[in-house]
Amino acid sequence: NAGVTQTPKFRVLKTGQSMTLLCAQDMNHEYMYWYRQDPGMGLRLIHYSVGEGTTAKGEVPDGYNVSRLKKQNFLLGLESAAPSQTSVYFCASSRQRIISGNTIYFGEGSWLTVV
Amino acid sequence: EDQVTQSPEALRLQEGESSSLNCSYTVSGLRGLFWYRQDPGKGPEFLFTLYSAGEEKEKERLKATLTKKESFLHITAPKPEDSATYLCAVMRNSGNTPLVFGKGTRLSVIA
Repeated sequence: NAGVTQTPKFRVLKTGQSMTLLCAQDMNHEYMYWYRQDPGMGLRLIHYSVGEGTTAKGEVPDGYNVSRLKKQNFLLGLESAAPSQTSVYFCASSRQRIISGNTIYFGEGSWLTVV
Repeated sequence: EDQVTQSPEALRLQEGESSSLNCSYTVSGLRGLFWYRQDPGKGPEFLFTLYSAGEEKEKERLKATLTKKESFLHITAPKPEDSATYLCAVMRNSGNTPLVFGKGTRLSVIA
């Protein structure tokens, strides 16, 4: 009963380093999302995917890249980390058609600090 | 541009003291309005979906209502375990656009 799993949960990076956050879902969902959450800013969408092999930009995409090579996985990459990317990152997934009831399932979050 | 504004930013209640959280929105064609609960160090947890003005949903001490411009999350006789951040989000009625979230209301219920 895993749902949405994010790895790693915590990471400290130096400015300029690169890293990848992995999101995996076991619910056969078509849609996947990456959000960041900062104090006083709420959840802001970075990138999302509406299916395997597709990606699209969200509200705050600069400095990030994503890939959806497999339906169950959505990767978020930071090519050259900056202190402004210090945040909590949430992955989420949903069914293709949002009809009723629960819509988006979230992971537990990944805490990233860039020094 | 879709906007979601939640108020107040923070709310402190005594146990048993009922109150309401507000979520006002501007969106071109509302497909759905969603309420989530978020505990510290955790991801958001789904509470309710509302689709049309006049709709109401209830779950334990929580009741969500929807008008054409805003939604309220009423908390009746809250308990300390209701302490959390409550997030409101909207989805537009065009395509499969992702949710747009408000900044949340941080609720503290004191015993």
